[in-house]
Amino acid sequence: GENVEQHPSTLSVQEGDSAVIKCTYSDSASNYFPWYKQELGKRPQLIIDIRSNVGEKKDQRIAVTLNKTAKHFSLHITETQPEDSAVYFCAAKQGADGLTFGKGTHLIIQP
Amino acid sequence: ETGVTQTPRHLVMGMTNKKSLKCEQHLGHNAMYWYKQSAKKPLELMFVYSLEERVENNSVPSRFSPECPNSSHLFLHLHTLQPEDSALYLCASSQDFAAGRTDTQYFGPGTRLTVL
Repeated sequence: GENVEQHPSTLSVQEGDSAVIKCTYSDSASNYFPWYKQELGKRPQLIIDIRSNVGEKKDQRIAVTLNKTAKHFSLHITETQPEDSAVYFCAAKQGADGLTFGKGTHLIIQP
Repeated sequence: ETGVTQTPRHLVMGMTNKKSLKCEQHLGHNAMYWYKQSAKKPLELMFVYSLEERVENNSVPSRFSPECPNSSHLFLHLHTLQPEDSALYLCASSQDFAAGRTDTQYFGPGTRLTVL
């Protein structure tokens, strides 16, 4: 089955700086890669996703890059703000399968 | 926020009890999922239902029994649970394998389960 590794487990950045979270996956057949943000006590919320036929996708301050050859994808958040503090999960999916999640990254934005 | 709902939001049960978790989606999706979220562990997929048929169960213990009576409702029946089953149980739905397929999964708020 699919295995997703996520790093780092905790990331602390100064407000206004950029944050990068990286994930690798094992199944080359995976073709859908979403990123979820989960605030304390709340449900995971999709923030951005990318399919295997695209190398990069951007939505305002958030971008995701995908390298199919190396089987890794990354989340980039620019101009970080206090409300970006949360746990971020990457995931991979193939066909009818459910999502396989990484272990999560606790992002802390220092004022 | 109200597209996927779950009840109850909190549940405390003994190891000999039988209880059920309920999930309902109002998004017109055709696939539903159960995930388990424990402290210090990634979200773990438990069950997938697509077009009301189970397609994956990931070797989940038989003390967890899913039921999907229609495309809008999903249940997780619990019986003879263990304390290590205490976790947040999340339901999700998506629109798969149809025109306009997005794969995007929308999560419910979860049921916080404590097994004594």
